[in-house]
Amino acid sequence: AQRVTQPEKLLSVFKGAPVELKCNYSYSGSPELFWYVQYSRQRLQLLLRHISRESIKGFTADLNKGETSFHLKKPFAQEEDSAMYYCALKGVTGGGNKLTFGTGTQLKVEL
Amino acid sequence: GAGVSQSPSNKVTEKGKDVELRCDPISGHTALYWYRQSLGQGLEFLIYFQGNSAPDKSGLPSDRFSAERTGGSVSTLTIQRTQQEDSAVYLCASSPGQDSPLHFGNGTRLTVT
Repeated sequence: AQRVTQPEKLLSVFKGAPVELKCNYSYSGSPELFWYVQYSRQRLQLLLRHISRESIKGFTADLNKGETSFHLKKPFAQEEDSAMYYCALKGVTGGGNKLTFGTGTQLKVEL
Repeated sequence: GAGVSQSPSNKVTEKGKDVELRCDPISGHTALYWYRQSLGQGLEFLIYFQGNSAPDKSGLPSDRFSAERTGGSVSTLTIQRTQQEDSAVYLCASSPGQDSPLHFGNGTRLTVT
């Protein structure tokens, strides 16, 4: 079975402070992991995927297979980063692009 | 259209009634997914379509739930004899291929009274 755990429902940080949104996964195969983001009154959208190894809006995430983690990090939080963040794992059962999502973390950046 | 379109955006229904939720994917996207988002929960996978066939319907919670897709485009999720626990936001997403990211719609908020 595959599972994604996001332990924090809400994370509040001050503008300019570092941000780390935690994500741990359980999967027996080789995982493919993603972060999706939902800004207020907008639809859910892809933020980044681990195979791309890129930084989007200053965010990065490194896959740590030893710790089965894929934490999302940003060195200096901005007010516009306030949003709901979902970690997701791609499963191969049934083919296609089925994603298993975590319960999400609400990030609030305070001035 | 520019994105995935879902209708209605909101639906209030009485317990025991049937409801139909519609999803118009992005043109040309062969894969289509339905997810459910309940209060305090993550996104729960319901069903996946590749073209008109559904190789993975493992997430449908009961036989009251069914979905179809016609012409490789529009999909309808039907919930029969709705229950209060069916209240949730139902999200549709489409994708052009197996290794492409999902594009989500705005969802349908279903409230069963």
